[in-house]
Amino acid sequence: QSALTQPASVSGSPGQSITISCTGTSSGVGSYNLVSWYQRHPGRAPKLMIYEVSKRPSGVSIRFSGSKSGKTASLTISGLQAEDEADYYCCSYAGSPVFGGGTKVTVL
Amino acid sequence: EVQLVESGGGLVQPGGSLRLSCAASGFTFSSYWIHWVRHAPGKGLVWVSRINSDGSSTSYADSVKGRFTISRDNAKNTLYLQMNSLRAEDTAMYYCARGGRDGNSVAFDIWGQGTLVTVSS
Repeated sequence: QSALTQPASVSGSPGQSITISCTGTSSGVGSYNLVSWYQRHPGRAPKLMIYEVSKRPSGVSIRFSGSKSGKTASLTISGLQAEDEADYYCCSYAGSPVFGGGTKVTVL
Repeated sequence: EVQLVESGGGLVQPGGSLRLSCAASGFTFSSYWIHWVRHAPGKGLVWVSRINSDGSSTSYADSVKGRFTISRDNAKNTLYLQMNSLRAEDTAMYYCARGGRDGNSVAFDIWGQGTLVTVSS
């Protein structure tokens, strides 16, 4: 299974926008519109934030958006809020599901 | 309420076995692929295994292939993970997660609360 590369950490001030990248391979992220993003607060189960690159499940804030260019997917959080501080994981399909290493988002 | 509830975790010695369960409610369990995902302390999420809606198709991460077996009982709305030859590196919180009706989907929209597996002597 191929790995997905995410930055270890990203930070921003309240109200700012941040973007988390997720780089895969041409046979994974680059071939399928099957990228999802998960938010995980410590001690809690992951929560689906974005699926199929840019779709938002019901109940997820419109401040969260997803996109993809080539073999890199991105999650953007607009209007950063204190409750957005968490770990974020991308996930893609490359024969089987694979997660990125995770990005810790810090709200300064 | 749509939910998944895991059980069966605990402390086990290296080389030992455990069987995890995941009880589903609030949705048509037999219509969905279900996955196991684990989170080791200080590490990231790792996909472990998946099973299709009728249990006829399964797949595993390389790290557990040959040691773990996923299965389901749709009559009981329950998913299982039989874990044999456990190693210290299998220590993690294990989550079951609902996938889509398609095996390629990575939109895991429902997660359980997790069950902790600790492999240590």
